[in-house]
Amino acid sequence: EAGVVQSPRYKIIEKKQPVAFWCNPISGHNTLYWYLQNLGQGPELLIRYENEEAVDDSQLPKDRFSAERLKGVDSTLKIQPAELGDSAVYLCASSATFWNEQFFGPGTRLTVL
Amino acid sequence: DAKTTQPPSMDCAEGRAANLPCNHSTISGNEYVYWYRQIHSQGPQYIIHGLKNNETNEMASLIITEDRKSSTLILPHATLRDTAVYYCIVDPGNTGKLIFGQGTTLQVKP
Repeated sequence: EAGVVQSPRYKIIEKKQPVAFWCNPISGHNTLYWYLQNLGQGPELLIRYENEEAVDDSQLPKDRFSAERLKGVDSTLKIQPAELGDSAVYLCASSATFWNEQFFGPGTRLTVL
Repeated sequence: DAKTTQPPSMDCAEGRAANLPCNHSTISGNEYVYWYRQIHSQGPQYIIHGLKNNETNEMASLIITEDRKSSTLILPHATLRDTAVYYCIVDPGNTGKLIFGQGTTLQVKP
């Protein structure tokens, strides 16, 4: 069974440019999460989806970050415009339901110059 | 929300048991304890979770004290591939909202 797929794995952009990350969760998983991980820190939740509904986006900086999960499957996280402080690893995870264990993708490492 | 305290780093000899402690003295009666690990340059990986009773699976054992204020993750025969950051997490209200702390960096040495 395929795990959580993320692309791209690495992205380098200049500040003020837009960037988007894509996530394909494990088939059948209703819950999808986006996390941000700064160097040397644990992951921090940005947003959680139950099917296509964002049920917890309290930690998402909505002035520049946006996310969507069309048809309750794949998800895209976007940053526009990117700032130097956005350099981090962006992790996607999925679970069958919100109380089940989460399965993480390999992450996208973003570098903003 | 219940917070967890873990030692920042630990060493373990290859083939020996690795015992990783976690303190969660403010845990509520219905909150689960989860353990995840993160190998360098990979996403976190679920290991095990428990409520009151000790739990065991193919990866590890979880020992939770009777008062539930602390727990220990046991890797029975550590290998070099177990070198990783181990996170002990209490799910606040069993919402699935994992709050990762700094974790314990386990270095398994030959």
